[in-house]
Amino acid sequence: NAGVTQTPKFQVLKTGQSMTLQCAQDMNHNSMYWYRQDPGMGLRLIYYSASEGTTDKGEVPNGYNVSRLNKREFSLRLESAAPSQTSVYFCASNFGQQNQPQHFGDGTRLSIL
Amino acid sequence: AQSVTQLDSQVPVFEEAPVELRCNYSSSVSVYLFWYVQYPNQGLQLLLKYLSGSTLVKGINGFEAEFNKSQTSFHLRKPSVHISDTAEYFCAVSDDSNYQLIWGAGTKLIIKP
Repeated sequence: NAGVTQTPKFQVLKTGQSMTLQCAQDMNHNSMYWYRQDPGMGLRLIYYSASEGTTDKGEVPNGYNVSRLNKREFSLRLESAAPSQTSVYFCASNFGQQNQPQHFGDGTRLSIL
Repeated sequence: AQSVTQLDSQVPVFEEAPVELRCNYSSSVSVYLFWYVQYPNQGLQLLLKYLSGSTLVKGINGFEAEFNKSQTSFHLRKPSVHISDTAEYFCAVSDDSNYQLIWGAGTKLIIKP
């Protein structure tokens, strides 16, 4: 009963390095989301994928790219990491209807030095 | 654009006392409201949701919330808190136009022994 799985759980990068955060869900959900969480700011949507084959920008997409690899997997890439991208990143998924709650992974804690 | 306001960033309360966490949202045609809980170093999990029907919604762990359309509020309550309720609580509303969740900034519930 895995739900939403994120890897890695922790990562430290140097400024300018790149990395990809992985997310996979086993609930046959259509929609997937990437958020960042910063103290006092709640969750801010980076990118989302309403269905397999589509991706759209959220509130804070600059500095990020995403790939919806298949129905299960949705990855987030930082091409050139900056200290401002130090955050906790959460992946979520749901069936995509307005009344459907989102299911979250445990997060990736990312520090950029 | 819709918005969600959680009026208190922190709420300290003694163990076994009642608690209310406040949430107000901007009005919209159709409203779907959610409360999530985030325990330390974990992802978010759904506490309860309001989709339609009875304005009093019961959730997990003894929490309940009341939907008040005239006051555009969805306050979360528990009659007697336990040390295990220490967490951050997030209110969210589903956006009419794109079905995204609009998040409040969160309220940290601090239980005093």
